[in-house]
Amino acid sequence: AQSVTQPDIHITVSEGASLELRCNYSYGATPYLFWYVQSPGQGLQLLLKYFSGDTLVQGIKGFEAEFKRSQSSFNLRKPSVHWSDAAEYFCAVAPISGGSYIPTFGRGTSLIVHP
Amino acid sequence: DAGVIQSPRHEVTEMGQEVTLRCKPISGHDYLFWYRQTMMRGLELLIYFNNNVPIDDSGMPEDRFSAKMPNASFSTLKIQPSEPRDSAVYFCASSPRGGPVYYEQYFGPGTRLTVT
Repeated sequence: AQSVTQPDIHITVSEGASLELRCNYSYGATPYLFWYVQSPGQGLQLLLKYFSGDTLVQGIKGFEAEFKRSQSSFNLRKPSVHWSDAAEYFCAVAPISGGSYIPTFGRGTSLIVHP
Repeated sequence: DAGVIQSPRHEVTEMGQEVTLRCKPISGHDYLFWYRQTMMRGLELLIYFNNNVPIDDSGMPEDRFSAKMPNASFSTLKIQPSEPRDSAVYFCASSPRGGPVYYEQYFGPGTRLTVT
C-alpha cells in the first residue's frame, strides 16, 4: 500500500519569502502525485498534479512541484509567498494500477505567513 | 457549475441523536467520496461510490455510520446514534470518469459536526 509523509506539521515564512513544502511517498512504482490546498473553513482544492513527463509541474496560484524519483519526493515550491497563501497543504498519491485508484493523503502542513 | 454542494455547513447535536449529512456532486461525475477530517487522524476516506454503487466502505468506522447514493446527484451520510467522538468535519468529493483525470477530486466545503 502507498503512504505519504509530510514531515513538517507547521511552516512559518515571511511574506515575499520563498517556500518549499516537503512530501515523501512510499510506493512500489511511480504513483500519481497531487498537491491540494485547504483554506480556513473550505474544502480542499487541487493545486497541481503529476502523472508523467516533465518532472517540474506548474500549478495554480504560482505554485510548482518537482518530482524526484530517486528521492521519492514531490516537494511544493513558490518563489514569493503572499499572505493569502496561509492555509493547510496536503500531498496525495494514487496508485497507477491495482484496481483501487483512491488517493492517500498526507497529514498536511500548515503554512503561516508573517507580514 | 456550482461545485460540490454539502448541507448543512454546521451541525450541532446531542449524543444519541441521528445525524444526516447531504451531498450533491458535480453533474457528470461518476465517483463520490466521503471523508472525515480530525486533528488527531487527519483526512480519512470513509466510503466511495462509482455510478451510485458503494465500492469500498472499509473506512466506515462502525455500524453507526451508513451512506447511500440513491441517484447520481445525491448522497447521504448518516450517523445513528451519534457520539461525541464523531465530532469532525465531513467532506464530500466527486471525480469525473476515466483516465488520470479520475484521480482529481473536487471537494465540497464540508460539514462541521459537533456532538455534545
